[in-house]
Amino acid sequence: GAGVSQSPRYKVAKRGQDVALRCDPISGHVSLFWYQQALGQGPEFLTYFQNEAQLDKSGLPSDRFFAERPEGSVSTLKIQRTQQEDSAVYLCASSNGGGLTNTEAFFGQGTRLTVV
Amino acid sequence: SQQGEEDPQALSIQEGENATMNCSYKTSINNLQWYRQNSGRGLVHLILIRSNEREKHSGRLRVTLDTSKKSSSLLITASRAADTASYFCATGGSHQFYFGTGTSLTVIP
Repeated sequence: GAGVSQSPRYKVAKRGQDVALRCDPISGHVSLFWYQQALGQGPEFLTYFQNEAQLDKSGLPSDRFFAERPEGSVSTLKIQRTQQEDSAVYLCASSNGGGLTNTEAFFGQGTRLTVV
Repeated sequence: SQQGEEDPQALSIQEGENATMNCSYKTSINNLQWYRQNSGRGLVHLILIRSNEREKHSGRLRVTLDTSKKSSSLLITASRAADTASYFCATGGSHQFYFGTGTSLTVIP
């Protein structure tokens, strides 16, 4: 497809369950970002990949969060032992440049995770 | 934590009127970008302004940047009902954006 694709669009998980969220970036985009957006808030940075290398994971809230991009294209954000405070929209973005200096990012529609 | 703050938090105007929203940020930046987010959807890039630019136009959008005051404004002229959305400013670091909390704009037909 032409844009960033995320799946699933909606996910309901029971507390304690593991979840995996998928992101298909725009083909050829070097940089990939994950953001978390709580209700009524702006997106908050989670992690950044340049190709397959995870260059920054400073935004991951706990060691229950793990992201990978093994072949430098598709990325998966995994959350282990989900808790209610993990409920949010998880946004993936990609950009053509290495980083974001003077370049725009293209966002997917997000995965809305609800932990019950 | 979020670096930017938009003002106002919510804005309601009649179709055809202009809408102005402001963004303040805390640290030095490489660029500042504005994004739109329709309810339940992802963010759409609107415009990027570099730190050495003062004003930029794109269609009905006009963005200004004042680095001395660490602030930016987004003006939407001749608003339409389809402009109803949340608008976020994002300040660019080397590899991440810092988003504000957003301005929720409602354009009444």
